[in-house]
Amino acid sequence: NAGVTQTPKFRILKIGQSMTLQCTQDMNHNYMYWYRQDPGMGLKLIYYSVGAGITDKGEVPNGYNVSRSTTEDFPLRLELAAPSQTSVYFCASSQGAVGNTIYFGEGSWLTVV
Amino acid sequence: TQLLEQSPQFLSIQEGENLTVYCNSSSVFSSLQWYRQEPGEGPVLLVTVVTGGEVKKLKRLTFQFGDARKDSSLHITAAQPGDTGLYLCAGPDNYGQNFVFGPGTRLSVLP
Repeated sequence: NAGVTQTPKFRILKIGQSMTLQCTQDMNHNYMYWYRQDPGMGLKLIYYSVGAGITDKGEVPNGYNVSRSTTEDFPLRLELAAPSQTSVYFCASSQGAVGNTIYFGEGSWLTVV
Repeated sequence: TQLLEQSPQFLSIQEGENLTVYCNSSSVFSSLQWYRQEPGEGPVLLVTVVTGGEVKKLKRLTFQFGDARKDSSLHITAAQPGDTGLYLCAGPDNYGQNFVFGPGTRLSVLP
């Protein structure tokens, strides 16, 4: 059971470049999330989705975009990368938020130079 | 806005010692969860507590949910180096769509 799969694992971007972090889950979960975790810190919600075709902003959405065309996939797009976007990004999914487990991917380490 | 606070922020102890970490809020949560994140990995669920006053045990880990469902604690008995990691508490937001995460307690158990 693969769970939540993120790619790439590591990436170095130059300032101003764009990229997409891919995320897919095979648990048929309706809810999907993107978090960032800065060194030594907790998790901050970037965007979330409660189902295909529905997305909404989290705590720190500026500089990012998402789409949810299928239940399985929830890619995160970084436009015009900035050094402040250097972080570890986690994709996650759950069946719901109340009483349900949130399953995380292994993380994507992004450095913007 | 629902917030979860965790204390202490950092904890470094020797193998074999006992410890307790706390998760507190001014808001009532329908449930609270504890996750552990090991270096280089994503968080993994340890436990979910649902009922006020509930106590759950997972080997050397004991979790308690406060009677008023505003706080929770995690007690580790005879800590081992394998317990090292970031401990996060989390609960559902008022809309039931997102998880509210605390900032975490970073535990280091030295051999």
